[in-house]
Amino acid sequence: SQQGEEDPQALSIQEGENATMNCSYKTSINNLQWYRQNSGRGLVHLILIRSNEREKHSGRLRVTLDTSKKSSSLLITASRAADTASYFCATSQGLYSGGGADGLTFGKGTHLIIQP
Amino acid sequence: EAQVTQNPRYLITVTGKKLTVTCSQNMNHEYMSWYRQDPGLGLRQIYYSMNVEVTDKGDVPEGYKVSRKEKRNFPLILESPSPNQTSLYFCASSLQNGQTLTFGAGSRLTVL
Repeated sequence: SQQGEEDPQALSIQEGENATMNCSYKTSINNLQWYRQNSGRGLVHLILIRSNEREKHSGRLRVTLDTSKKSSSLLITASRAADTASYFCATSQGLYSGGGADGLTFGKGTHLIIQP
Repeated sequence: EAQVTQNPRYLITVTGKKLTVTCSQNMNHEYMSWYRQDPGLGLRQIYYSMNVEVTDKGDVPEGYKVSRKEKRNFPLILESPSPNQTSLYFCASSLQNGQTLTFGAGSRLTVL
């Protein structure tokens, strides 16, 4: 069942600007992950943040997590044309959440376009 | 190179003709999963496997079967494909459930 929901659905910015996308989820989580997908290709893992962490950095990526608001944000600084892709958040409820689908549940993604 | 390999990458078939999409990983991962991706619906989990001989249904298992006889392989079987199974399919694996997933390149299936 879908849990994460990204916002906005689509985002278009100029190269060099920062891009921020958000993810909201409904139930408690063990960790939250962000993935990137270039058109029609497999998803690539970007960053994982655990439920007891508030912020994490990886290169030009910064992820925050607010478990009280059940939300996360992904910031891409100094965007490049190569950052054009869809970005998905995925939540994990733990090793076994019980009943029905298990493992990571993905949102529908934010489609990011970087204008040269 | 650590990877998840899916085959075929592209397939056009007709209603009712059984097909298998293979998935293999070389990372000794315990957890494997199949997703389908459709416009406007995001990724939906079809089946997953926590380990060899352990499989379970995801959100949209109807019309699909899987098996996990060996750790590295997790084939997706469509016994009698229908047009509503036209989709982009991804196999993924991780060391354990809930950890970071490594995805295959995807298999684009069209059922006429």
